[in-house]
Amino acid sequence: NAGVTQTPKFRILKIGQSMTLQCTQDMNHNYMYWYRQDPGMGLKLIYYSVGAGITDKGEVPNGYNVSRSTTEDFPLRLELAAPSQTSVYFCASSFPQGKNTEAFFGQGTRLTVV
Amino acid sequence: AQSVTQPDIHITVSEGASLELRCNYSYGATPYLFWYVQSPGQGLQLLLKYFSGDTLVQGIKGFEAEFKRSQSSFNLRKPSVHWSDAAEYFCAVGNNAGNMLTFGGGTRLMVKP
Repeated sequence: NAGVTQTPKFRILKIGQSMTLQCTQDMNHNYMYWYRQDPGMGLKLIYYSVGAGITDKGEVPNGYNVSRSTTEDFPLRLELAAPSQTSVYFCASSFPQGKNTEAFFGQGTRLTVV
Repeated sequence: AQSVTQPDIHITVSEGASLELRCNYSYGATPYLFWYVQSPGQGLQLLLKYFSGDTLVQGIKGFEAEFKRSQSSFNLRKPSVHWSDAAEYFCAVGNNAGNMLTFGGGTRLMVKP
């Protein structure tokens, strides 16, 4: 049972480059999330999705895009990478039962923009 | 808007000593509260959660937390800390729609031998 899988684990980008962070889950969860984690700031929600074909902005969406074509996959796209996007990115999924919003997290992608 | 404050950025305790990590939240309705733990280089693992009922909740690894509505707090406790508990701990509040978690800034716990 893999849970939430993120790739790559590490990446260095040059300013202006683009990349896609991959996230897949095998728990048939309908909710998926992307967070970024900066030191001392906790996790900030970038985008989330409540099901295939539906995405919504979170707290810090600027500079990112997402898509959700299947239940399993929720890729995060960075266009024109900037140093401010240096961070650790976490993907998570949940299957809210009533209000039982327990989220399961991937192991993270550490991105450095230079 | 919901928010979470963890006042202590770093805490150091001796192995075997008791632990309390503080968490204060702001939310307009009945909160759904969580504590997660993050070991170095790892993702977040759920320790415990509170939705309703008994205000003292038990979690994994010997942790417990107490919900105090009057103080808007959800402090995490452990009676005897082990070296393996060294990690970063995050408190979070969930919204009523069940689609968003708001995290505090985290508390990094160090354990002295």
